[in-house]
Amino acid sequence: DTAVSQTPKYLVTQMGNDKSIKCEQNLGHDTMYWYKQDSKKFLKIMFSYNNKELIINETVPNRFSPKSPDKAHLNLHINSLELGDSAVYFCASSHVLGATSQSSYEQYFGPGTRLTVT
Amino acid sequence: EDQVTQSPEALRLQEGESSSLNCSYTVSGLRGLFWYRQDPGKGPEFLFTLYSAGEEKEKERLKATLTKKESFLHITAPKPEDSATYLCAVQERYGGSQGNLIFGKGTKLSVKP
Repeated sequence: DTAVSQTPKYLVTQMGNDKSIKCEQNLGHDTMYWYKQDSKKFLKIMFSYNNKELIINETVPNRFSPKSPDKAHLNLHINSLELGDSAVYFCASSHVLGATSQSSYEQYFGPGTRLTVT
Repeated sequence: EDQVTQSPEALRLQEGESSSLNCSYTVSGLRGLFWYRQDPGKGPEFLFTLYSAGEEKEKERLKATLTKKESFLHITAPKPEDSATYLCAVQERYGGSQGNLIFGKGTKLSVKP
């Protein structure tokens, strides 16, 4: 069984369009994330979300918005796509950090969605 | 200023030639340091978590160690199937984004038979 899955694997679209990428995890995790990996392979956090809190990386344009219908899903909606949005987008999930937790929880990643904006 | 710096950017080894990858970090408080492996066209695959200086973890030919400023990923007698990009990431103890991973740019390892 796939732990973290994303659809589609590839997405080619034109500038100005609106698109969505879906993510599902079957690990029972409470927190989900979206990362962007640029052409230089640098992974950068975009959002983290659990049922209590959405944390947005301040550098992410507001054209990007996460939508979570339930704990197992975190979809990424992108409006008015631009050429610079071309990248690979990864979804990840982990257990939620407790307020007094002294430990850390590893994140498990999906296979990625390669977005190409033409 | 990068908070996580990995070196070298690329490393080419002969099969059986042991070596180490470095990850240095500058964060106000470390909750955890993670090593991932990423194959082309795939998502990062979790390898290790290290929490405190002096800690070591091993998995097959890989051994990860941690000091207060850096981590090493030692590869003993590598095989061609160890070829991949190895990513280091840290999770901060303080601040509003405690759960987020801050990644380095990775070390691309190639092992030739």
